[in-house]
Amino acid sequence: EIVLTQTPLSLPVTPGEPASISCRSSQSLLDSDDGNIYLDWYLQKPGQSPHLLIYSLSYRASGVPDRFSGSGSDTDFTLKISRVEAEDVGIYYCMQRIELPSLTFGGGTKVEIK
Amino acid sequence: QVQLQESGPGLVKPSETLSLTCTVSGGPITNYYWSWIRQPAGKRLEWIGRIYNSGTANYNPSLESRVTMSMDTFKNHFSLRLRSVTAADTAVYYCARGPSYYDSRGYYLNSPFDYWGPGLLVTVSS
Repeated sequence: EIVLTQTPLSLPVTPGEPASISCRSSQSLLDSDDGNIYLDWYLQKPGQSPHLLIYSLSYRASGVPDRFSGSGSDTDFTLKISRVEAEDVGIYYCMQRIELPSLTFGGGTKVEIK
Repeated sequence: QVQLQESGPGLVKPSETLSLTCTVSGGPITNYYWSWIRQPAGKRLEWIGRIYNSGTANYNPSLESRVTMSMDTFKNHFSLRLRSVTAADTAVYYCARGPSYYDSRGYYLNSPFDYWGPGLLVTVSS
């Protein structure tokens, strides 16, 4: 099973400032057949179900503001928020789907306003 | 706009079977894989399994011996059965679209969870 480790566990942020979350995988998430990296990011706002932010490493889902961006290599990934807004609070999860049908989530990073 | 809604009992007794249904509206259930995901309080999300309209299902190895998923394309819903539950199965259960689907040419594509239900809290207790 691929293990995803997220850091930090908690991230206090100041509105208007940038923020960054890390996700590290125990195995490469690069699909050598198609060249895609199957790492996604989800945000779970308080009291809601998770929703998709970034898929396949760096593609923003429909309706996601461009202040969110994803990057990384085969095993190390970063979600960046260029300027945090109050509505961005919640728990961020990374998820891998390279080993379908088996897929796993990271432990989550809780983002809150200072 | 695709919408999903979980339904089923919120309380299940230990050793019994947890049964949930996810009703899909706003789009077809065919051509996509559909999953169940759960989240115990304070813990990470756990993928339970997925099903396709051909009846093909894949399960998390840690739950495979207790899980069965099914689909009714006429009613546009799919279901989860988890047998022999214990307190450790207490969680919020989500249904979601994905991962993967077949496009109009019949190609299999690896896709993320793009639609989720609101979730249903299921408590296992006597």
